[in-house]
Amino acid sequence: SQKIEQNSEALNIQEGKTATLTCNYTNYSPAYLQWYRQDPGRGPVFLLLIRENEKEKRKERLKVTFDTTLKQSLFHITASQPADSATYLCALDTSGGSYIPTFGRGTSLIVHP
Amino acid sequence: DGGITQSPKYLFRKEGQNVTLSCEQNLNHDAMYWYRQDPGQGLRLIYYSQIVNDFQKGDIAEGYSVSREKKESFPLTVTSAQKNPTAFYLCASRASGAYEQYFGPGTRLTVT
Repeated sequence: SQKIEQNSEALNIQEGKTATLTCNYTNYSPAYLQWYRQDPGRGPVFLLLIRENEKEKRKERLKVTFDTTLKQSLFHITASQPADSATYLCALDTSGGSYIPTFGRGTSLIVHP
Repeated sequence: DGGITQSPKYLFRKEGQNVTLSCEQNLNHDAMYWYRQDPGQGLRLIYYSQIVNDFQKGDIAEGYSVSREKKESFPLTVTSAQKNPTAFYLCASRASGAYEQYFGPGTRLTVT
């Protein structure tokens, strides 16, 4: 079956450290992968998109990598802050470049001061 | 101020009643989506519309209906046929040619 896996356990880190979240997938060949941030009780907010031919994308303190051989994306937040605490969702194209991404369940990040 | 709005934020209904959730956007986006989110679950697609007067079923359309009479509006009706309607409902929109979706604040529906 086709699956998108994000760690269901919360990631706890200390302020100032780099947070790394993982998104693994099976049986897809996505044309792109996206990362969203979701705060409790609110809608997700788009952060970054990376295409299949890109290895890495950066935006301020955020960095996303995409390894289509390993079928994995890593999402890094450098110099993390308590305000970065949220759930982070990955979403990927599961039908050949369509505009209907499939979302993972998300991983909760907690940054301790 | 451009954005996507959903109302109300909280909605309570008795079992057996239909209820309509509002979604409005002034981003001039062609595509709109409805998702359902349950605790510990990813977003599941209910319906989507790529253009006015056209919409398609998503993965969990049973018990739901939509309309897209205006570009700005994509209301979702949760019918009495939906067996487990209590959930957090999210509406999103997308510009033509772009992949990123813009989400509304969500409506939390509780049916008792």
